[in-house]
Amino acid sequence: TQLLEQSPQFLSIQEGENLTVYCNSSSVFSSLQWYRQEPGEGPVLLVTVVTGGEVKKLKRLTFQFGDARKDSSLHITAAQPGDTGLYLCAGGNSGGSNYKLTFGKGTLLTVNP
Amino acid sequence: NAGVTQTPKFRILKIGQSMTLQCTQDMNHNYMYWYRQDPGMGLKLIYYSVGAGITDKGEVPNGYNVSRSTTEDFPLRLELAAPSQTSVYFCASSYPGTFLSYEQYFGPGTRLTVT
Repeated sequence: TQLLEQSPQFLSIQEGENLTVYCNSSSVFSSLQWYRQEPGEGPVLLVTVVTGGEVKKLKRLTFQFGDARKDSSLHITAAQPGDTGLYLCAGGNSGGSNYKLTFGKGTLLTVNP
Repeated sequence: NAGVTQTPKFRILKIGQSMTLQCTQDMNHNYMYWYRQDPGMGLKLIYYSVGAGITDKGEVPNGYNVSRSTTEDFPLRLELAAPSQTSVYFCASSYPGTFLSYEQYFGPGTRLTVT
């Protein structure tokens, strides 16, 4: 069974601070996705990374896929209250059943004004 | 496009009652999924379908059933509701994108309480 561990589980910071959220596994994934979920809503896809070492930027958010495709990080620069939410990483399984994702438990981020 | 829609938004069931959670997508996606989300536990896959007429179990299928008669609809059935099924249920769909990734689109969820 492939597992994804996210850290930290909770993060509360002030507006303007930088932060990094981590997603780690002992298994190799063919792809890694990051979702953000706001209270009372479903997760919304932010980014997909598929190549080891890949870095993608989405405005103030930077996503990186580890060289060995076992881990990923999400860095937010100058966090804003609108960044508040649950951040979930999800791995696409190697070996054929890529249409199923393994989700981490999430990092709950609160950005205080 | 409406994307993925789910009904109802909220529901309270008594132990032993049955209900069907509805899910519809208008993106012509082949793949559809049902997840449950419990506090601090992430998303657990209940059932999934790779096309009309084809369904398979996920991690936590006990107590649930599904059917997929059309591409658009993927209802989830609870036959004998139990308190352990109190959760938020999400339906999702995806298309076969690149070989390596299947990006999922989620509905707004159904919050179910069994008492």
